[in-house]
Amino acid sequence: AQKVTQAQTEISVVEKEDVTLDCVYETRDTTYYLFWYKQPPSGELVFLIRRNSFDEQNEISGRYSWNFQKSTSSFNFTITASQVVDSAVYFCAIINNAGNMLTFGGGTRLMVKP
Amino acid sequence: NAGVTQTPKFRILKIGQSMTLQCAQDMNHNYMYWYRQDPGMGLKLIYYSVGAGITDKGEVPNGYNVSRSTTEDFPLRLELAAPSQTSVYFCASRAEGRANTEAFFGQGTRLTVV
Repeated sequence: AQKVTQAQTEISVVEKEDVTLDCVYETRDTTYYLFWYKQPPSGELVFLIRRNSFDEQNEISGRYSWNFQKSTSSFNFTITASQVVDSAVYFCAIINNAGNMLTFGGGTRLMVKP
Repeated sequence: NAGVTQTPKFRILKIGQSMTLQCAQDMNHNYMYWYRQDPGMGLKLIYYSVGAGITDKGEVPNGYNVSRSTTEDFPLRLELAAPSQTSVYFCASRAEGRANTEAFFGQGTRLTVV
């Protein structure tokens, strides 16, 4: 069985602060894939990034960056210079090598105050 | 390109009534999923399908049924609705056989059972 834990249920920051959302996963597969999704107040789920288990290179996209560490089974997400529009619930997810089971964490609600 | 379409967007059911949540995708994806999201919580997998004629239970299948007669459609049936089934339901699809592809989500169906 696989599992994703997002220990931070809610985070509140002031605009322009940096914030890191934690994600820890469990899996028995040696090959797997990790994802982050954003759910803004409007409710839809927006894909942000995917990462393969054999590629530990960190990634940066604008103000967003992701730190994948296989040794600690973590796939953390950092927003630099947060903005009010970043306010949303963020979900981390894992899919097994067979590609059929897509499991989500409980989500982290990020509130960015002006 | 419509992506994943869910109908209806909102529905109120009385206890004991039945209904079918519709989900259709036009991306020729073989993998489809149904999730429920309770208020303030993450997404829990109800059922999934890896192709037409093939369905399997997820984490919380009780009280639901699915069918997959075509690649495009994956309806979710609620029999004898209960207040515990009040939730937002999301349908998603993914490309076949490529575990590293992201899931595309519908806009969700907000269901209230009273």
